Amino acid sequence: ETGVTQTPRHLVMGMTNKKSLKCEQHLGHNAMYWYKQSAKKPLELMFVYNFKEQTENNSVPSRFSPECPNSSHLFLHLHTLQPEDSALYLCASSQGGGGKNIQYFGAGTRLSVL
Amino acid sequence: GESVGLHLPTLSVQEGDNSIINCAYSNSASDYFIWYKQESGKGPQFIIDIRSNMDKRQGQRVTVLLNKTVKHLSLQIAATQPGDSAVYFCAELISSGSARQLTFGSGTQLTVLP
Repeated sequence: ETGVTQTPRHLVMGMTNKKSLKCEQHLGHNAMYWYKQSAKKPLELMFVYNFKEQTENNSVPSRFSPECPNSSHLFLHLHTLQPEDSALYLCASSQGGGGKNIQYFGAGTRLSVL
Repeated sequence: GESVGLHLPTLSVQEGDNSIINCAYSNSASDYFIWYKQESGKGPQFIIDIRSNMDKRQGQRVTVLLNKTVKHLSLQIAATQPGDSAVYFCAELISSGSARQLTFGSGTQLTVLP
């Protein structure tokens, strides 16, 4: 248990569906992150939130829409996804958004787009 | 290309032997490095970190070595155990504009043989 909880653990969706991924951290951290992990590729940073403000958007397509209502919760809203979006989506949190940056990860949501 | 990469994608070691996992980085301005371990079905788990003003840091059964001259990082695991079987990632902290981001390597799959 890392203190970062992601739901659901598995998700199968069609290209016309709308779904949301949820992340909650119980560590009192101020920064939260979304990463995409595809097979045999490095983790790709998607979004960064620091004190609920989005500070990074690494050229992510608009079919991925993040939401951070408070420092403990992070959502990733999905709509009209493509099969190549199938991957493991990881949420992480850290004490701060810069400097020494130990990020603590959730177990991820395994997404399959049909 | 990737600024962080691993020399070997897979590594097999006998139980009880020492393991060495290597990582090369290209950004000489990186000043902080982290090793993560990812077991099957789980998110990456922090192992150990090191700042660029150090060349060695030890943890429980793990040692990280940093050679800034050749931009090389290694993780040594002493007396490797079956529970050490996982994918190991190195990550470097890079400044991107006003932000600092962790950039991950592709990972090395460590398999511990009985």
